[in-house]
Amino acid sequence: EDKVVQSPLSLVVHEGDTVTLNCSYEVTNFRSLLWYKQEKKAPTFLFMLTSSGIEKKSGRLSSILDKKELFSILNITATQTGDSAIYLCAVAHPPRLTFGKGTLLTVNP
Amino acid sequence: GAGVSQTPSNKVTEKGKYVELRCDPISGHTALYWYRQSLGQGPEFLIYFQGTGAADDSGLPNDRFFAVRPEGSVSTLKIQRTERGDSAVYLCASSFLAGPDTQYFGPGTRLTVL
Repeated sequence: EDKVVQSPLSLVVHEGDTVTLNCSYEVTNFRSLLWYKQEKKAPTFLFMLTSSGIEKKSGRLSSILDKKELFSILNITATQTGDSAIYLCAVAHPPRLTFGKGTLLTVNP
Repeated sequence: GAGVSQTPSNKVTEKGKYVELRCDPISGHTALYWYRQSLGQGPEFLIYFQGTGAADDSGLPNDRFFAVRPEGSVSTLKIQRTERGDSAVYLCASSFLAGPDTQYFGPGTRLTVL
């Protein structure tokens, strides 16, 4: 059975801190790994990773995939209160996405 | 352009009733997906449409759940004889093509079965 495990499940930091969120997976027919940010209800797309070792970056967020060790990390530098959300990792084995439970990040001022 | 929209945003119903949840995907997206998210969990796949046909409905939990997409655009998820365990957020997503392409999610419908 396909499995996606995220850690930690929750994290509380202060503004300005750097955080690293982890995602490990065991899936058949892996195609890509995606990160989403979920505030309230709608997951918002952040990154899609298909190749090992190539960092994707958007502002203060970055992510990298290791297909040999079957994991990905999402880094957020200089965190802001607006980064508070659930961060979801999902693995695509088309057409479906299999999600982890998410990491609840709380950034305190 | 407009994103994925879902109606209603909230639905409260009584056990045993029938409900319909609607999803309007991004214009031009041929693939449409339904997921269900319970409290403290990630979204779980229910069904996938490519055009008008349900190409993969293996995630539907039982035969009380059914979904249609008659014209290849708007989709309706139908739940018969609702049970308290059906309470969850139902998310719809669409993508330009099926495959590794990014899925864009709507805001969801929060279903509460009393």
